[in-house]
Amino acid sequence: QKEVEQNSGPLSVPEGAIASLNCTYSDRVSQSFFWYRQYSGKSPELIMSIYSNGDKEDGRFTAQLNKASQYVSLLIRDSQPSDSATYLCAVNKYGNKLVFGAGTILRVKS
Amino acid sequence: DTGVSQDPRHKITKRGQNVTFRCDPISEHNRLYWYRQTLGQGPEFLTYFQNEAQLEKSRLLSDRFSAERPKGSFSTLEIQRTEQGDSAMYLCASSLLGNPYNEQFFGPGTRLTVL
Repeated sequence: QKEVEQNSGPLSVPEGAIASLNCTYSDRVSQSFFWYRQYSGKSPELIMSIYSNGDKEDGRFTAQLNKASQYVSLLIRDSQPSDSATYLCAVNKYGNKLVFGAGTILRVKS
Repeated sequence: DTGVSQDPRHKITKRGQNVTFRCDPISEHNRLYWYRQTLGQGPEFLTYFQNEAQLEKSRLLSDRFSAERPKGSFSTLEIQRTEQGDSAMYLCASSLLGNPYNEQFFGPGTRLTVL
């Protein structure tokens, strides 16, 4: 079992819709959780961080964390073609290295 | 631009050659990380420094790989006797000790192609 799992996709949504991306993790000691966006050929860009159970909103993005179920999700409202990218989920256990999932490809169709 | 910088951005080399990459972190960040990413995968941790001390190395980091951060500022990653399997994107990230959640910010990466 991989430590961080994501559906590879692609997830296709129409422009203006809500895109929902999910991630599960195996180690309960995981403390902080991150979503990175990665455009093709570019490096990962941090878009959301979450540490406590519940929701955290930032603009069109909402991150959701459920530690009991060991999952993290990212909602993107009013999806735009420019949101088309690979979204990487990452977890941090002891304040050091990040462990990444393989990423979910999102395609927003105009 | 005060973000993480990496040099070179691209490197093509022949198998068996040595290569060295440089990373300059965000200026006030005292933690520096190296990751490697291959196509279709997320970044994999290689090693990290807190100031000049190398505190952790992944089992992925064979003895052909060495990293330094001599003055606690920039870092170098050297790969000796490169192999075709070393072809990947090498990513550097930095974070600020004292940030309890260890948000890490990535540089643009160095894409290595070993022929």
